[in-house]
Amino acid sequence: SQTIHQWPATLVQPVGSPLSLECTVEGTSNPNLYWYRQAAGRGLQLLFYSVGIGQISSEVPQNLSASRPQDRQFILSSKKLLLSDSGFYLCAWRMKGDRGGSPLHFGNGTRLTVT
Amino acid sequence: QKEVEQNSGPLSVPEGAIASLNCTYSDRVSQSFFWYRQYSGKSPELIMSIYSNGDKEDGRFTAQLNKASQYVSLLIRDSQPSDSATYLCAVRTSSASKIIFGSGTRLSIRP
Repeated sequence: SQTIHQWPATLVQPVGSPLSLECTVEGTSNPNLYWYRQAAGRGLQLLFYSVGIGQISSEVPQNLSASRPQDRQFILSSKKLLLSDSGFYLCAWRMKGDRGGSPLHFGNGTRLTVT
Repeated sequence: QKEVEQNSGPLSVPEGAIASLNCTYSDRVSQSFFWYRQYSGKSPELIMSIYSNGDKEDGRFTAQLNKASQYVSLLIRDSQPSDSATYLCAVRTSSASKIIFGSGTRLSIRP
């Protein structure tokens, strides 16, 4: 069966510090990978998605970036965090094919507080 | 206009009643629709997927899709206190890999 690992679970970082969140998927190959952010009491905002190694689509211009160095690894980074980067970051994967009908499967999320 | 819209609630429903959650979307060529449940502080979990017009039932849950009206809904029968959560509607857009979420509806089941 497929599993998705996301770490760390919680993170407190000062403004201006760098960020690296990592996500890995097991039990499947060539998945689509996603990063979402959820501000307190809000819905999920799509940040980045990737359909393959090195292929990143950015949805929201901001000081975050994403990379996919390996098939089942997705990394979210920032060089300098802003207060507004605080939130609940969720990594997700879904299968390709199935005429696009496959659902997203989420990791447990990282709660980031920028102080 | 937001791509996916939901009433934020809170929606309060007595235990045992039917809860009705609604979602509209703007991309007319969207093909895949999903309902997720999210408990406070947790990640979303899939309840149902629906792709064709009409109703799809799974236990106490029924998803309804009307592509002409660009409308998808979720009915929860025999509501239980454990159903109290935020329900997120998600749509796979015409850009085949993008899945966009609504802002969610907070549901509260009162005993």
